[in-house]
Amino acid sequence: EAEVAQSPRYKITEKSQAVAFWCDPISGHATLYWYRQILGQGPELLVQFQDESVVDDSQLPKDRFSAERLKGVDSTLKIQPAELGDSAMYLCASSPQDRGDGYTFGSGTRLTVV
Amino acid sequence: GEDVEQSLFLSVREGDSSVINCTYTDSSSTYLYWYKQEPGAGLQLLTYIFSNMDMKQDQRLTVLLNKKDKHLSLRIADTQTGDSAIYFCADGGGSYIPTFGRGTSLIVHP
Repeated sequence: EAEVAQSPRYKITEKSQAVAFWCDPISGHATLYWYRQILGQGPELLVQFQDESVVDDSQLPKDRFSAERLKGVDSTLKIQPAELGDSAMYLCASSPQDRGDGYTFGSGTRLTVV
Repeated sequence: GEDVEQSLFLSVREGDSSVINCTYTDSSSTYLYWYKQEPGAGLQLLTYIFSNMDMKQDQRLTVLLNKKDKHLSLRIADTQTGDSAIYFCADGGGSYIPTFGRGTSLIVHP
């Protein structure tokens, strides 16, 4: 069964350092999403890509977060500088265009900022 | 933004049925989803229902949708200890992109 791949699985970083997460969506999925899930809450959408273009980044804290999907395949989410409040699970998801039944999540990256 | 509300905890005995309830506010919702999350893992899509349906059954899972009351429920028949997890209700809104509730922790006792 096709999967959304994410790495690293876990990341511990010091406050004010830079950190990056990688996501490889299911082959052929045009749409890619990054979510943040704070402990005890549901995931919140940070950014949505359609191919290489950003469709929605209204919830992305742009002063410190950036996301790119240069060739319309894999994607990187970066935080610089990291803050204590950024500790969370960062989830990537992908879907075929305009379909909800194929919406598939990766296993996530658990970030701890110390 | 639109809200999705669900109770935080549910405890059942193995073999019983579990019913997890959810309410949402977006009247334009097309897709409504149920996801399962095991500890430290990503989200697994369990099932979804289109807003023009009122029921969907898939093996041990039954989804009921009351669109008038914006109420969604997930029934798990013959609940097993392996069903212990957090269950998220999600509302696709006017598109299909899920907006999640806070999740219901299902605890199954032997």
